[in-house]
Order: sequence, then structure tokens, then C-alpha cells
Amino acid sequence: AQSVTQLDSQVPVFEEAPVELRCNYSSSVSVYLFWYVQYPNQGLQLLLKYLSGSTLVESINGFEAEFNKSQTSFHLRKPSVHISDTAEYFCAVSDPSDLPLRGAQKLVFGQGTRLTINP
Amino acid sequence: DSGVTQTPKHLITATGQRVTLRCSPRSGDLSVYWYQQSLDQGLQFLIQYYNGEERAKGNILERFSAQQFPDLHSELNLSSLELGDSALYFCASSVGVGMETQYFGPGTRLLVL
Repeated sequence: AQSVTQLDSQVPVFEEAPVELRCNYSSSVSVYLFWYVQYPNQGLQLLLKYLSGSTLVESINGFEAEFNKSQTSFHLRKPSVHISDTAEYFCAVSDPSDLPLRGAQKLVFGQGTRLTINP
Repeated sequence: DSGVTQTPKHLITATGQRVTLRCSPRSGDLSVYWYQQSLDQGLQFLIQYYNGEERAKGNILERFSAQQFPDLHSELNLSSLELGDSALYFCASSVGVGMETQYFGPGTRLLVL
């Protein structure tokens, strides 16, 4: 079964500093990868996803993530963070082999990384 | 606002009781997913329905069951509740099956005393 490891449970950074949130997944077979963000007292929102193609994917608010198959990683980065980026970030993986069988989309989430931005 | 609604927002009940959580997907979405978020287990996939049919099952206990109705809303039934069932329960929806984006509701916070 797939598993996802987010190496840091909490990441404090100063405003306008760069940040990297690390994510590793268990399998070297083909997978789909996602980053979701959960703002305080809200549900999850998709930040970005990798399905195929370019290994570098970007979100509309300046985050990017790079799929590295050899290292089974999908780290999330932002060159300059803002106070509004304070949230919990979840990395998730979905096994594409589930899809042809029954159209199943099972997301396996990491434990989350709480990003705190200090002024 | 994702367009996914969940009721109730909060629920407090006692051990041994039964509760029903309700989810209305975004207009036009046929797939509904249920997730449980707890401090010790993190965010876990429970079950997926597509157009009324169960499509995938995750770590869902036998005491839990779900269904999707013809109007596409879904209900998650939790019975014989235990203290450890206290968690945030999320519903998500997507257009169909495949890798479409899942849109999450605000969640129902369940507290079992």
C-alpha cells in the first residue's frame, strides 16, 4: 500500500523568506501526486498536482513542486512566503492503477506540515 | 467556498450512540468521498461513491456505513460510537471518476463523550 511521509510536522519561517515542505512517498511505480492546503477552520483546497508531463508544477499563488521519481519525492517550495500562507499543508498520493478497475480515486495523505509565518 | 456543504458543523454525542453526517456535493459532481481527520491517524480516506455506486473503500470501520442517494447527496452513518471516533469528517466531491480535482467541504466535527 502507498504511504506518504512529510518529514516536518512544523515549519516556522519569517515573512518573505523561502520555504520548502518535504514529501516522500513509498512506491517507485507510477503515481499521481498532490499538495493540499488547509487554512484554519476550513476544508482542504487543492494547491497543485502532478499527473504526468513536466516534473515541475506550479500553483497560482507562487508555490511549486517538483516530482523526483528517483528520490520518490514531491517537495513543495515557495521563494518568498506571506503571512497569508500560514496553514497546514498535506501531501497526497493516488495510485493510478486504481482508476481503470473501478474509477476509484483513493488519496493517501501525509501527516501534514504546519507552516507558520512570523513577521 | 468550495460548493460542497456538510451538516451539521458540530456534533456532540455519547458513546454507543449513532449519528448521521450529511454531504451535498457541488452542482454537477457525481463522485462523493468521505475522509476522517483525527490527531492520531491523520487524514484518512474512508469511502467513495460515484452516481450512487460504491467505487472505493479505504480504512472504514464496519460500524460505519455510507450511501449516495439519487439526488447525489451522501450520508455517512456512524454507529456504536467510541471515544476514538471523535474526529473531523470531511466530504469531498468531483465531477466523475479519474483524476479530477476533489473539492472538500468544511467538515463536521464529531465529539464523542
